[in-house]
Amino acid sequence: DIQMTQSPSSLSASVGDRVAITCRASQSISTYLNWYQHKPGKAPKLLIYAASSLQSGVPSRFSGSGSGTDFTLTISSLQPEDFAAYFCQQSYSTPFTFGPGTTVDIK
Amino acid sequence: QVQLQESGPGLVKPSETLSLTCSVSGGSISSYYWSWIRQPPGKGLEWIGYIYSSGTTNYNPSLKSRVTISVDTSKNQVSLKVSSVTAADTAVYYCAKAGDYYYMDVWGKGTTVTVSS
Repeated sequence: DIQMTQSPSSLSASVGDRVAITCRASQSISTYLNWYQHKPGKAPKLLIYAASSLQSGVPSRFSGSGSGTDFTLTISSLQPEDFAAYFCQQSYSTPFTFGPGTTVDIK
Repeated sequence: QVQLQESGPGLVKPSETLSLTCSVSGGSISSYYWSWIRQPPGKGLEWIGYIYSSGTTNYNPSLKSRVTISVDTSKNQVSLKVSSVTAADTAVYYCAKAGDYYYMDVWGKGTTVTVSS
């Protein structure tokens, strides 16, 4: 199985801050890397697919980069509605695996 | 737009079979992959498996011997069965839709299943 790690596991930030979350795969997954946002009691939401493609309807302050084993999700200017958990997922090979998640909370 | 709703018993006894249904509204089941994912309390997400609308399945080897995913296109529903459950199967269970590149673009809100006598 491909193991996914994320850092940091949590971070505190203020509205307007630039935030970066990294995800690393245990082997090369090309650009088969997806990012999701998850708020308690709600359905997870796809933000970025194929490492850098913005899902329709997602604000442009979200961006993704990387290929191979190292990836980054960047929020350019954190908004109040962005305080949530974020997790990455590889869709390169089954079993699909997820990162452990990063919680973004208010500083 | 497509919406997913998971449903099923919230409490299952050890050694019994967990059965959940994912109802798809606002679109067709055809030509998509339908995954089940779960998250045990305090732990990360685990992909259980998927079914393509044609019926082709792919399961996580860690659960393969106990899992069955099926699709009913006439009812626009996807089902999950996990047999011989233990407390380790206690989790929030999600269904999700994916396309050709397997990114999950629509998820349900999840349903909590507790395994306890």
